[in-house]
Amino acid sequence: GNSVTQMEGPVTLSEEAFLTINCTYTATGYPSLFWYVQYPGEGLQLLLKATKADDKGSNKGFEATYRKETTSFHLEKGSVQVSDSAVYFCALIVNRKLIWGLGTSLAVNP
Amino acid sequence: DARVTQTPRHKVTEMGQEVTMRCQPILGHNTVFWYRQTMMQGLELLAYFRNRAPLDDSGMPKDRFSAEMPDATLATLKIQPSEPRDSAVYFCASRGGGSYNSPLHFGNGTRLTVT
Repeated sequence: GNSVTQMEGPVTLSEEAFLTINCTYTATGYPSLFWYVQYPGEGLQLLLKATKADDKGSNKGFEATYRKETTSFHLEKGSVQVSDSAVYFCALIVNRKLIWGLGTSLAVNP
Repeated sequence: DARVTQTPRHKVTEMGQEVTMRCQPILGHNTVFWYRQTMMQGLELLAYFRNRAPLDDSGMPKDRFSAEMPDATLATLKIQPSEPRDSAVYFCASRGGGSYNSPLHFGNGTRLTVT
């Protein structure tokens, strides 16, 4: 079946550190891939997306590349800030169905 | 910025009571989702509507949950009777027409506590 697996959190980093949050997927067909972010006390919001293999989504310094050969969509940021502290969700759409990962909590310390 | 509005933000109730949560989707969005978020289960899809018609409510316990869209500006999720295991954050989200790849816009949720 279709599924999304994210690395377990919490992830704790110091400000300006490099961030990677791993996401791999299993899907029949050709999924579109997404990262959403949830700040404390808020709903989720779209961070970036990629709709086909080798596409790179980017926003607010975050990037993720759609890798079909490794079925991955890892989220990266070169230098995190305290304001990036949030929960990050990887998701995919395949056959019109949206599948979510469990989320990875990130805490960035000053 | 257009936003999805959910009310109430917080609700504390005793088990057995009826709970109604409301959502105003973004004007012009024709698809509305209800999700439940818990630490253990993550995000669970309860129901979704397209053009006000229910398309999938298989994630919803039918004996106590019901979801409706009386008009295009209002979606409701009702629990009757409520139970402690219903304690969670309930999110409404809406999506504009045209593409399944369009982003979901979430409200800030209703935090429900059933004692």
